[in-house]
Amino acid sequence: AQKITQTQPGMFVQEKEAVTLDCTYDTSDQSYGLFWYKQPSSGEMIFLIYQGSYDEQNATEGRYSLNFQKARKSANLVISASQLGDSAMYFCAMREGRLSGTYKYIFGTGTRLKVLA
Amino acid sequence: DGGITQSPKYLFRKEGQNVTLSCEQNLNHDAMYWYRQDPGQGLRLIYYSQIVNDFQKGDIAEGYSVSREKKESFPLTVTSAQKNPTAFYLCASRTFGTGDLREPQHFGDGTRLSIL
Repeated sequence: AQKITQTQPGMFVQEKEAVTLDCTYDTSDQSYGLFWYKQPSSGEMIFLIYQGSYDEQNATEGRYSLNFQKARKSANLVISASQLGDSAMYFCAMREGRLSGTYKYIFGTGTRLKVLA
Repeated sequence: DGGITQSPKYLFRKEGQNVTLSCEQNLNHDAMYWYRQDPGQGLRLIYYSQIVNDFQKGDIAEGYSVSREKKESFPLTVTSAQKNPTAFYLCASRTFGTGDLREPQHFGDGTRLSIL
């Protein structure tokens, strides 16, 4: 069965430091996509970054980058130069193979990040 | 601005009562989703719909019902059969089919449901 695993329930990082949030996945599909979302305490889900299974380069979006290691089935999120506003819950998600015309998504249990001043 | 609107933001349910959570989108998306989030857990899929008048059960559909009479709207009813409905509910949408594989789901701001 397809699965997303986030093993870090909580993380602390000092302001301006970099932090890596872990995500491993399990799938038998050749084509898949991995997403990272940020969920502040207010509850909305904010899309951060995407990595496709066939992408040759690791994805980057501003201070966010994805350390994609396909053979190890890991897609870790790296946040550089952490800011106090980065304190939030972070979810890794995978797009499952197309079923009946559309996609389903599975989510990990999340990592709560706290940035310290 | 295009987006997804969920209402109400907070909802209280009495024992034995059905309640309906609203989800409206103006993104012209065909596919819509309902998720349930419990503290310390990820999102679990309740129902999803690809097109009007069609929807499929997700992983935890028992005690919930949906309808999709309009493209813009995908309301979720939490029935009295759902014995533990206290949770945060998120609605999402996406273009139907392959489209741009990089496109993420777009989410509303959520509804927090509690039992009185």
